[in-house]
Amino acid sequence: EVQLVESGGDLVQPGGSLRLSCAASGFTFNSYEVNWVRQAPGKGPEWVSYISNTGSNIYYADSVKGRFTISRDNAKNSLYLQMNSLRAEDTAVYYCARGKGATYFDYWGQGTLVTVSS
Amino acid sequence: DIQMTQSPSTLSAFVGDRVTITCRASQSISNWLAWYQQKPGKAPKLLIYKASSLESGVPSRFSGSGSGTEFTLSISSLQPADFATYYCQQYNSFSVTFGQGTKVEIK
Repeated sequence: EVQLVESGGDLVQPGGSLRLSCAASGFTFNSYEVNWVRQAPGKGPEWVSYISNTGSNIYYADSVKGRFTISRDNAKNSLYLQMNSLRAEDTAVYYCARGKGATYFDYWGQGTLVTVSS
Repeated sequence: DIQMTQSPSTLSAFVGDRVTITCRASQSISNWLAWYQQKPGKAPKLLIYKASSLESGVPSRFSGSGSGTEFTLSISSLQPADFATYYCQQYNSFSVTFGQGTKVEIK
């Protein structure tokens, strides 16, 4: 069974940093692209970042470019999101999602809540 | 970015009704469209990809159609488990975008 389990969400002050993790199981992690997708309260999902199966290709949404860094460790079947210079508008549930290329998302984790507030 | 607009925002229906949700793209996206179902407190679940391809395990009462800029998601006979929020998502451009959602409520 495919499983994606996020962790690391927390309450953080504006300007602060946070690192999210996603542990994958049930599939050959190093064969799949993965993404971070977030969803602010009461809003639709918003794609945040993509990383290819080898980590050689990385893309970001304009809203997080220069502040967030995606990475993966295929030996540990894990995906990460380093978030710096956090803003109130970054408040959301953050999901890791397995991608069919840079297209749609066939499996999602349960999400981890990031709240940016003073 | 390509903007995705769904209508209606809320839909009230009875169990057994046929319902249709529309999604319009701000520019042509060919058939690069997916549909998701989301229940409160849960992650979105993939229903349809490439506009009309049913994801494995999804009931056949769900169907998708359309191309270019206009797309529809239909549920042939609404079941209690189908009351949820539905999102469309385009993947024509690398910066994928989602619609704002359609909430299907019990009438």
